[in-house]
Amino acid sequence: GAVVSQHPSWVICKSGTSVKIECRSLDFQATTMFWYRQFPKQSLMLMATSNEGSKATYEQGVEKDKFLINHASLTLSTLTVTSAHPEDSSFYICSARPSGSSYEQYFGPGTRLTVT
Amino acid sequence: GQQLNQSPQSMFIQEGEDVSMNCTSSSIFNTWLWYKQDPGEGPVLLIALYKAGELTSNGRLTAQFGITRKDSFLNISASIPSDVGIYFCAETTGNQFYFGTGTSLTVIP
Repeated sequence: GAVVSQHPSWVICKSGTSVKIECRSLDFQATTMFWYRQFPKQSLMLMATSNEGSKATYEQGVEKDKFLINHASLTLSTLTVTSAHPEDSSFYICSARPSGSSYEQYFGPGTRLTVT
Repeated sequence: GQQLNQSPQSMFIQEGEDVSMNCTSSSIFNTWLWYKQDPGEGPVLLIALYKAGELTSNGRLTAQFGITRKDSFLNISASIPSDVGIYFCAETTGNQFYFGTGTSLTVIP
């Protein structure tokens, strides 16, 4: 149980285009989902916290107009990287917190984004 | 944000050896979590600690929540090749979730 999927698992796009990444909790409902970014050999950095039905809360230094987050249902959150540039190339990981839980988080397998 | 420092940064050990790594925080937290991340994958929760002094085991893994609530350690006994990966500690309070700097473990068969 507690499976989180991400789609796509990897994507290559051209500079200036937008990319949407989906995060789904497959067997539980998640009021809160998190989006992380991870550079090679580095730790996960929290980008934003999204709560179903409300606006996402972005961490300091993360541009909300560039990284659009939508959490329209209890099982789906999306991250759209708008006008992507090569420096946006990274490993993006989402996690989902089961509704009613205070601390648990289950992570997706990640999405490798390469912007050329 | 919170500073979570892990040590050592990397470890190279022989199969069968025991491993110990720790994590220290600049602040007091109520929950310590230990995750393992395989290359190209998301982190997987290994052990969760909820109170100071708590010692919890999960198979060959043992973790303890420090009495000061500012540190935690993770031990792996009798390491095997599949233990290879990056181990992260994490702290959480409500919607805030912070990962440590990670310890990269390599097990030499």
